[in-house]
Amino acid sequence: QKEVEQNSGPLSVPEGAIASLNCTYSDRGSQSFFWYRQYSGKSPELIMSIYSNGDKEDGRFTAQLNKASQYVSLLIRDSQPSDSATYLCAVSTSSARQLTFGSGTQLTVLP
Amino acid sequence: DVKVTQSSRYLVKRTGEKVFLECVQDMDHENMFWYRQDPGLGLRLIYFSYDVKMKEKGDIPEGYSVSREKKERFSLILESASTNQTSMYLCASSLAGGADTQYFGPGTRLTVL
Repeated sequence: QKEVEQNSGPLSVPEGAIASLNCTYSDRGSQSFFWYRQYSGKSPELIMSIYSNGDKEDGRFTAQLNKASQYVSLLIRDSQPSDSATYLCAVSTSSARQLTFGSGTQLTVLP
Repeated sequence: DVKVTQSSRYLVKRTGEKVFLECVQDMDHENMFWYRQDPGLGLRLIYFSYDVKMKEKGDIPEGYSVSREKKERFSLILESASTNQTSMYLCASSLAGGADTQYFGPGTRLTVL
């Protein structure tokens, strides 16, 4: 079992819809969770980080964390074609200096 | 803003050559990382360093070595390049610890012929 799992997609949503991206992790000691966006041919850039159970909102993006169920999700409201990218989930335990990345979900927002 | 730079965007080398990939960060970060990214396999950690002259193996260190002589600079070395090391190489840095955001450089697309 992979430590961090994401649906590889591709996930397609129409413009203006809500895109929902999910990530599960296996290490119950995980403390820090990150969502990165990666455009084709570019390097990953941080969208959001979340450390506590519940929701965290930033503009059109909402991260949701449920440690009991070991999943973290990213919702993108009012999706735009410019949101089309691969979204990477990354997880770290409190004792680890490094992150473990999922393989990413490719999102396409159709105009 | 954090800036992480990598010495080359594209690199073409021959099998058996020694290859150096350089990474520099300008934010006095403690930690630096080297990943490779391949389609379908995601980001895989090769090596990381949490202090000058300190290094730890990641998930796929075979065929690679690293050097960190100064805090801002972290080098990845392919002692004898092979075709299966053709990949996108990404450098990242973070202030300290796994709880901190990692900031990525633009990447180096390495092709080994």
